[in-house]
Amino acid sequence: AAGVIQSPRHLIKEKRETATLKCYPIPRHDTVYWYQQGPGQDPQFLISFYEKMQSDKGSIPDRFSAQQFSDYHSELNMSSLELGDSALYFCASSLVAGGSYEQYFGPGTRLTVT
Amino acid sequence: GDSVTQMEGPVTLSEEAFLTINCTYTATGYPSLFWYVQYPGEGLQLLLKATKADDKGSNKGFEATYRKETTSFHLEKGSVQVSDSAVYFCALSVYNNNDMRFGAGTRLTVKP
Repeated sequence: AAGVIQSPRHLIKEKRETATLKCYPIPRHDTVYWYQQGPGQDPQFLISFYEKMQSDKGSIPDRFSAQQFSDYHSELNMSSLELGDSALYFCASSLVAGGSYEQYFGPGTRLTVT
Repeated sequence: GDSVTQMEGPVTLSEEAFLTINCTYTATGYPSLFWYVQYPGEGLQLLLKATKADDKGSNKGFEATYRKETTSFHLEKGSVQVSDSAVYFCALSVYNNNDMRFGAGTRLTVKP
């Protein structure tokens, strides 16, 4: 079965640079979520989109923005990167319209800011 | 707000030992409850879920029962294997607040 795809899997950036992470949800899923997982920590919710509209917002810094496109893929844009942004970034998708709140996670993008 | 509290680790067991990882939750609505597992260097995989009180989720020998009276969703396995070594996250999702709230994670190490 198709899973959530994230790219790139690894990314190294310098401070103050910009990064773009991409997420391709499971086909026909209507909701995409972004999470940030710091070393040794639990995933923290950043933002979600339902049918291409922002549906919920968590602890996403103002330096970050995200959107969901017409083909349902989503991008997380991160500007003015800081050392503390080094983390594993997960995308998840679900089919909320079907009444399920089960989220399927991608393999994550490991971002290292130097 | 909605939150999950899970047993702190790390937990180290011998192969074939019994496993319990405690998880309790606080929610204003009627949450769905989940256990996710994260193997080293990998993403989160859904292990099992329960969507209403008294539901029992089970998968790969793991079980957890949604206990509304004790607001708990403890993870159990009768006989762990070395391959079960991973970090386990308890999580909840509430209907009108669709982000997933995770516990802090419990690292399990199973020794031969």
